[in-house]
Amino acid sequence: DAKTTQPTSMDCAEGRAANLPCNHSTISGNEYVYWYRQIHSQGPQYIIHGLKNNETNEMASLIITEDRKSSTLILPHATLRDTAVYYCIAGSNDYKLSFGAGTTVTVRA
Amino acid sequence: DVKVTQSSRYLVKRTGEKVFLECVQDMDHENMFWYRQDPGLGLRLIYFSYDVKMKEKGDIPEGYSVSREKKERFSLILESASTNQTSMYLCASSSSGGRVGYTFGSGTRLTVV
Repeated sequence: DAKTTQPTSMDCAEGRAANLPCNHSTISGNEYVYWYRQIHSQGPQYIIHGLKNNETNEMASLIITEDRKSSTLILPHATLRDTAVYYCIAGSNDYKLSFGAGTTVTVRA
Repeated sequence: DVKVTQSSRYLVKRTGEKVFLECVQDMDHENMFWYRQDPGLGLRLIYFSYDVKMKEKGDIPEGYSVSREKKERFSLILESASTNQTSMYLCASSSSGGRVGYTFGSGTRLTVV
């Protein structure tokens, strides 16, 4: 898996959009960008993934730069329940994924 | 609702015991994984399996073995439990070529005393 770099922590206000950055400058052509989150004491939860194009689902949007060296996960209207550790991973679903330290996101009222 | 079920949420075992952690998925997924999670170290991959009776070592396989006799079940075995194996153990599954990511279980918090 390509190495990813994320900020250690970030705060955001409830109701506002949360933009979580991730750098993956060594990503290879067939590797996807995955985002997961882990709420305290639970297993990680899959959020979204993409290869080249921007993706959106009911949880979030994923914006991948044209050179694929970085991406941003957008939580459009953050709630207190979105407080979690968010992991950005570059890899393949058919192979092992390496989870780093992630970004601890705290949503404040 | 699709799920990955881990047999125990909390487990306390004695040093030297043989410990079995069970994981069952109901999604007909080909791939299954065992991770452990420790504070400050993130999730580390122990073993994974692409198919029945197949297994591959992850990043930290020492002191562990696995068994996958049926597609839906992936067992992690601690041959002789030690205190440094006290950890949260997470099982996950995924579909080969699937359009969604891993599905994780809720985890087993193992304490070895």
